[in-house]
Amino acid sequence: DQQVKQNSPSLSVQEGRISILNCDYTNSMFDYFLWYKKYPAEGPTFLISISSIKDKNEDGRFTVFLNKSAKHLSLHIVPSQPGDSAVYFCAASAMSGNEKLTFGTGTRLTIIP
Amino acid sequence: GAGVSQSPSNKVTEKGKDVELRCDPISGHTALYWYRQSLGQGLEFLIYFQGNSAPDKSGLPSDRFSAERTGGSVSTLTIQRTQQEDSAVYLCASSLYGTPSEGYTFGSGTRLTVV
Repeated sequence: DQQVKQNSPSLSVQEGRISILNCDYTNSMFDYFLWYKKYPAEGPTFLISISSIKDKNEDGRFTVFLNKSAKHLSLHIVPSQPGDSAVYFCAASAMSGNEKLTFGTGTRLTIIP
Repeated sequence: GAGVSQSPSNKVTEKGKDVELRCDPISGHTALYWYRQSLGQGLEFLIYFQGNSAPDKSGLPSDRFSAERTGGSVSTLTIQRTQQEDSAVYLCASSLYGTPSEGYTFGSGTRLTVV
């Protein structure tokens, strides 16, 4: 039972354009969402997060949008840069108590120079 | 150390052998997690340690898997009688308090190959 889904295994975007990565979840108890970025042979690194009390959080070139009614979130990267090429994982948790993160299967983003 | 350290970085073992994977979390971090990533899959939760509390073992796939955390610091994940389906990258992460909002700090992982 995949509670966090990233339906696009890969995405290619021209340098300078906007990259949009999508994530859907099924568990209505999830109330905190995170995005991680992973380069080959390295562990994932935390990128940006959002609480369910918000619908948008922005950090520089990265913005995460949350649509609770649709159980959908997205990560926007603008403008996209070659160094953004990596695998992006969406993760979710319930903040009530020390809950583990549940991860999606990842989307491989390739930025084309 | 400054980050989460895992050893070995690569391990090739024969089917049926036991393996031990080590994780050194960031000093002072009370929470420690083990995940694994099989080929083409997402990160699968295995086990979670928080301070002196009993670990959350709900993600361990079989009784061949076990983990311990000694002195609230170093953790060892042990896989007994390894099978080919155990081949994966095993990732360890730690966080200061174990709250999701902190984000985790991951190590670089141990790539386990069972032949």
